[in-house]
Amino acid sequence: DAGVIQSPRHEVTEMGQEVTLRCKPISGHDYLFWYRQTMMRGLELLIYFNNNVPIDDSGMPEDRFSAKMPNASFSTLKIQPSEPRDSAVYFCASSFRQGLNSGAFFGQGTRLTVV
Amino acid sequence: KQEVTQIPAALSVPEGENLVLNCSFTDSAIYNLQWFRQDPGKGLTSLLLIQSSQREQTSGRLNASLDKSSGRSTLYIAASQPGDSATYLCAVRVYNQGGKLIFGQGTELSVKP
Repeated sequence: DAGVIQSPRHEVTEMGQEVTLRCKPISGHDYLFWYRQTMMRGLELLIYFNNNVPIDDSGMPEDRFSAKMPNASFSTLKIQPSEPRDSAVYFCASSFRQGLNSGAFFGQGTRLTVV
Repeated sequence: KQEVTQIPAALSVPEGENLVLNCSFTDSAIYNLQWFRQDPGKGLTSLLLIQSSQREQTSGRLNASLDKSSGRSTLYIAASQPGDSATYLCAVRVYNQGGKLIFGQGTELSVKP
């Protein structure tokens, strides 16, 4: 398996524009996590899905952020409108069912810069 | 609410030293604990996964222990090398919060030649 695949790797956009980040989890994994990493706040869990259903979105900073998982092999994180303070590295991770004590595997991340 | 803390935040050692990184968590109801490595500008690489029923896991020069009752885990690195320089993060898979994966802030390790 190619692992968790995120795109794009880098995104530079102007304030006010819509940004869409994409993630393809490892085949067969049924948990998918979105994280944001900054120097100040470290790794923050934004939202996670189980079997394509959002379980906890309490980490989503505000209504400008939304995430979807239309099927088991694809998820998006959208920011509309984007602001400079959204600049960060966004990671996607996937894992198998918790009952099997599977570890989480991370993508390479998307580095977002909002100017 | 589960909180994960890592001490120290940064550590610098000479090459060849054995070292210990610490991770503590406030709620012992976890499925597992995972140690990751992150190189600058890169993603997270899983090093070791300890299930809640296990006490330790080993991989090469790395040994991770878990004491669930006291809410502690340690990552032991033997005979450190400059290539071990990276940030090390621990994360717990929370039992009572639907499988949420919560991270500590990490320990930035520098191994000097």
